[in-house]
Order: sequence, then structure tokens, then C-alpha cells
Amino acid sequence: GNSVTQMEGPVTLSEEAFLTINCTYTATGYPSLFWYVQYPGEGLQLLLKATKADDKGSNKGFEATYRKETTSFHLEKGSVQVSDSAVYFCALSDRPALIFGKGTTLSVSS
Amino acid sequence: DGGITQSPKYLFRKEGQNVTLSCEQNLNHDAMYWYRQDPGQGLRLIYYSQIVNDFQKGDIAEGYSVSREKKESFPLTVTSAQKNPTAFYLCASSNIQGRGDTGELFFGEGSRLTVL
Repeated sequence: GNSVTQMEGPVTLSEEAFLTINCTYTATGYPSLFWYVQYPGEGLQLLLKATKADDKGSNKGFEATYRKETTSFHLEKGSVQVSDSAVYFCALSDRPALIFGKGTTLSVSS
Repeated sequence: DGGITQSPKYLFRKEGQNVTLSCEQNLNHDAMYWYRQDPGQGLRLIYYSQIVNDFQKGDIAEGYSVSREKKESFPLTVTSAQKNPTAFYLCASSNIQGRGDTGELFFGEGSRLTVL
């Protein structure tokens, strides 16, 4: 069946460092791909999405490109801030629901 | 503002008691979902509903029950049959009938259930 695998955390970075969180997927067909972010004690918020191969989703300085040849959707940010500390989830559409990875905790220190 | 409201935010339950978590949405979405979140395990689907008066089991439905009597509401009952109910529960909705639907889910703020 469909599945999502994302790198385990926690990821600890200093402010202004470069961030990569790896995400790979297994799926039949052409699912949409998502990154969600969860701040402490809150629900999930959509960070970005891509609906077809080679699409690049971007938001708040974060980017991810839908790579069908490598079945990947890695999250990147050029310069992280303390306020980016959160848990990040990669997900794929498995209609009518979403399948989520286990989440990666990011901690950014000043 | 449109959104999803979950209540209560925190709930404590004694073993053997049933408890119901509320989820209400005013986004006019057809589909609603319940996920369970445990540390290090991501989100796992409990139940979902695509239309009023119909719902389907997800991956971990045992020990849970739901109803969908109104489009706006999708309450989840955690029964005494759920062996390990302490978790963070997330309700979500999506507009599966819309044009350009990408499958995106919109989430509430969550309810944290603790069994004493």
C-alpha cells in the first residue's frame, strides 16, 4: 500500500542554518504531496503542497519539489529561524484521506 | 472565521468510562476525519465520513465510534474497549467535491485525552 517515510529527528540547528528534511514515498498513481507543520499544543497547518511531478511548493521560505523519479518530496529552507521550531509532517493523498509520515521535530536555537 | 472547532482541549477520563470528543466545522466541507497522534508514530486514521449518515473505519477504529448526523458535526466516542486511549486526537475536514481538489485536509486544534 501507499506509505511515507521521513527522516527521524530531532533535528537541531542554529539560527540561519540550512534545513533539509527528507521525505520519500511509495504510491500507485500520482498522489498529491504535502508538508504540514505542528507547533506545540496545536493542530496541523498546511505548509506547502505539490500536485504533480516537478511541481515546486513554497511558503514562508520553505520549498519542496515533487520528484517522481526519486519518489521524494524533501523540505528545504535556506535560513531557519527560532520561530520555525516545530514538528514537520510529510503526507500524501490516499483518497479520501491522507497518509502521514511519523514527523520530524526541528529545534532552532539562537 | 471559517474553521474547525474541537472541544474540549483537555480531557481526563477514568478507566472504564466512555468519553466523547466534539468536532464542528463551518467550512461547508463534505468529508470529515479523526486521526490519533502518539509521540513518534505520526498520525493514524481512526474514522472518516464523506457524507452525512455514512462513515468508514480507518486503520485503528477498534475501541472508537462515530456518528455523522449533520454535515457540520463529527463527534468521536472513545469507549472503554480502547485499551490505550491516552493520546492527542485531531479532527480534520476536506472539500472532496470541489473542483481542483488536491486532497488537502484542514485541521482543528486537537483534543488531548488522558486516562487516569
